Amino acid sequence: DIVVTQSPDSLAVSLGERATINCKTSQSVLYSSNNKNYLTWYQQKPGQPPKLLIYWASTRESGVPDRFSGSGSGTDFALTISSLQAEDVAVYYCQQHYTTLTWTFGQGTKVEIK
Amino acid sequence: QVQLVESGGGVVQPGRSLRLSCAASGFTFNNYGMHWVRQAPGKGLEWVAVISRDGSDAYYETSVKGRFTISRDNPRNTLYLQMNSLRAEDTAVYYCARDRPYDGSVWGQGTMVTVSP
Repeated sequence: DIVVTQSPDSLAVSLGERATINCKTSQSVLYSSNNKNYLTWYQQKPGQPPKLLIYWASTRESGVPDRFSGSGSGTDFALTISSLQAEDVAVYYCQQHYTTLTWTFGQGTKVEIK
Repeated sequence: QVQLVESGGGVVQPGRSLRLSCAASGFTFNNYGMHWVRQAPGKGLEWVAVISRDGSDAYYETSVKGRFTISRDNPRNTLYLQMNSLRAEDTAVYYCARDRPYDGSVWGQGTMVTVSP
């Protein structure tokens, strides 16, 4: 099974500053046949289901502000919020879906305002 | 619009059973594998089970294997999760979600399951 590990567990950033969350998978999630990383980022606010932010590791979902960006390939990935806004306070999860039909989530990273 | 609506949650005693349902609308249900994901109070997301488009394949998280059964009724556009031998640690919000998030992520609002004496 692919293990997904996020760091840090929590992060406090000043408004307007950059926030970076890291995600590491225990094996590569890069599918060689299509050169796509099967790695997704979600944002979850209290009482709500997760909201998709980034898929294929770096493709922003329609409607997601461009201050959110994803990077990385293979086993090491990052989600960056370039200028933190108050509405970005949430828990962020990375997820692998490389393994056929099965998903694995990271443990989550809580982002707060400093 | 594209939508998933879960139902069937509630309070149940340890060792008892519960069946969750997830009604899909707004998309071609039998084109997608479907997942159940749960979230214990104050905890992270945990993938529970998945079923293939035609229902021929299913996979489970280790702790629920042998106790939970995922199934689907494609003509009725409905996904199910039969949960037997429930334990306190199964207490969580259960979400159904559509596979292939790159095709547009679709999650339900969740249904709460509480396992308590």
